[in-house]
Amino acid sequence: AQSVTQLDSQVPVFEEAPVELRCNYSSSVSVYLFWYVQYPNQGLQLLLKYLSGSTLVKGINGFEAEFNKSQTSFHLRKPSVHISDTAEYFCAVTESGGSYIPTFGRGTSLIVHP
Amino acid sequence: GAVVSQHPSWVICKSGTSVKIECRSLDFQATTMFWYRQFPKQSLMLMATSNEGSKATYEQGVEKDKFLINHASLTLSTLTVTSAHPEDSSFYICSASPGNSYNEQFFGPGTRLTVL
Repeated sequence: AQSVTQLDSQVPVFEEAPVELRCNYSSSVSVYLFWYVQYPNQGLQLLLKYLSGSTLVKGINGFEAEFNKSQTSFHLRKPSVHISDTAEYFCAVTESGGSYIPTFGRGTSLIVHP
Repeated sequence: GAVVSQHPSWVICKSGTSVKIECRSLDFQATTMFWYRQFPKQSLMLMATSNEGSKATYEQGVEKDKFLINHASLTLSTLTVTSAHPEDSSFYICSASPGNSYNEQFFGPGTRLTVL
């Protein structure tokens, strides 16, 4: 069974600074990886996904993530954050060839200060 | 495209009453719908998976008699919280999948349930 670890429960950062949100996964088979963003009292919105191919994935709102198979990681990055990026970010993984029901990490709260 | 709606967005009810939450896929047919529960500052907990026209599959520890799920059509699933109690207060999120190869899910905006 797969698992996801988001080591940082909270990441404070100043506006226009770069940010990296960490995600590590565990699985014995090939995986698909996702990052979602959740604004207060809203559902989840897909930021980006890795299915196959290029390990560097670009998503919406200027975010990107890199799949590193050897380190079993899928860290999310943005070179310059805005106040509006303040939200909860969830990493999720599904195993290919299975039920494709994703396992979510516990979430990382990104707090952007002016 | 790929919009999922939930209704109501928030509901307050008295203990002992039942509450129905609707989840609709507005511009695609959802072969599978998922219901999640989210506690404050926590991740999503999958409650059940439902396929159109068949019984829902509940996760371990989720009471199927308390959380009734009906997937009546390819665009509508409902979650009914029966005899609600204050401990059922939570944020309930549904998602819908068009059934592609990796079961991509599109999430609704969530429903905030408060049981007094």
